[in-house]
Amino acid sequence: QQQVKQSPQSLIVQKGGISIINCAYENTAFDYFPWYQQFPGKGPALLIAIRPDVSEKKEGRFTISFNKSAKQFSLHIMDSQPGDSATYFCAASMGNFNKFYFGSGTKLNVKP
Amino acid sequence: DVKVTQSSRYLVKRTGEKVFLECVQDMDHENMFWYRQDPGLGLRLIYFSYDVKMKEKGDIPEGYSVSREKKERFSLILESASTNQTSMYLCASSFGSGEQFFGPGTRLTVL
Repeated sequence: QQQVKQSPQSLIVQKGGISIINCAYENTAFDYFPWYQQFPGKGPALLIAIRPDVSEKKEGRFTISFNKSAKQFSLHIMDSQPGDSATYFCAASMGNFNKFYFGSGTKLNVKP
Repeated sequence: DVKVTQSSRYLVKRTGEKVFLECVQDMDHENMFWYRQDPGLGLRLIYFSYDVKMKEKGDIPEGYSVSREKKERFSLILESASTNQTSMYLCASSFGSGEQFFGPGTRLTVL
């Protein structure tokens, strides 16, 4: 049973547009929700993360929106650029051992 | 900067061979992880370790074992490689709860 469900599987956005990736979870004990960005041939790298005590976190063009009651969180990329083309993974974790549950990934293609 | 290195970027092995994947981190992190990445399945946790000589099974431990003799080094072992273990293997480390830092990955092909 997948603990974190991510959609869409792939996304094509025009340069300057908004990219939106959604994730949903079931376990209310999760207390850390990161988004990772992965370029081809590289390992994933942390993009932005949120804890459930806030509903939104913004870092530059990247924003996480968090809906605790709906058990959903999403990544918004404003003014999407071709350099944002990558695979994005959401994740959720809880507890001290930091075990992450990853979504299935979204391959984003930003067309010039 | 945290650096997580993996011993090989690409590896080709034969069915039945014993395979060792090595991971080293240089930031004195207590937690280390091994994932495999497959298209459409995301990253799935194989094993993790929260201290030297300690290990915990992840979601897909079957066919794998691990070793952590030193804090900075975490090894993944495929006792008898099979074709369904062809995948990208990613190592990560972290301190406490929070960001995991990933290595570049090892693409393993089992023929």
